[in-house]
Amino acid sequence: DAKTTQPTSMDCAEGRAANLPCNHSTISGNEYVYWYRQIHSQGPQYIIHGLKNNETNEMASLIITEDRKSSTLILPHATLRDTAVYYCIVRVSNYGQNFVFGPGTRLSVLP
Amino acid sequence: DAGVIQSPRHEVTEMGQEVTLRCKPISGHNSLFWYRQTMMRGLELLIYFNNNVPIDDSGMPEDRFSAKMPNASFSTLKIQPSEPRDSAVYFCASSTLSSGYNEQFFGPGTRLTVL
Repeated sequence: DAKTTQPTSMDCAEGRAANLPCNHSTISGNEYVYWYRQIHSQGPQYIIHGLKNNETNEMASLIITEDRKSSTLILPHATLRDTAVYYCIVRVSNYGQNFVFGPGTRLSVLP
Repeated sequence: DAGVIQSPRHEVTEMGQEVTLRCKPISGHNSLFWYRQTMMRGLELLIYFNNNVPIDDSGMPEDRFSAKMPNASFSTLKIQPSEPRDSAVYFCASSTLSSGYNEQFFGPGTRLTVL
């Protein structure tokens, strides 16, 4: 699986959009981009995933560059409850395989 | 659905004792994963099962660790004997065995402290 690079930490004002970048320059054609987050003392939680196209769900939007070497997770209106560690993971979408979690980005949403 | 259930939520034990962590995956899920999280090493996979069969146990630290999945609704992770360096939060996760993306659902974790 391709490696990812994320900033160690970020701050965001409550109510503003949080844009979390992820670099995955060695991504291959059959690898998906997944985002998970982990709120303090809880298990990781799935947010969104994508292959080539931009994706949106009720939690967030995922913007993938045309060359697929980087992506951005967007939380459109961050709340204090969005304070968490966000993990960007790139992997082939074969069933029943594990995710490799890196250190992620610690997002602090400030009042 | 109750989600992934783990027990106990907290465990404090003394070095040398046997520790058994339990996990009940989401009904209908046929992949199960055990992870360990520490400040130093982050979140790392220990072992995972597909259809109750261990597929990859390369993350199991040493012979003191063992995991079983006797049926589709139950798995255990055992540490015998336990050591202080085993102190961590242990997460169990489950997912479906299907083509395409497979979201993993994590349990609340078991916080293990070995004195």
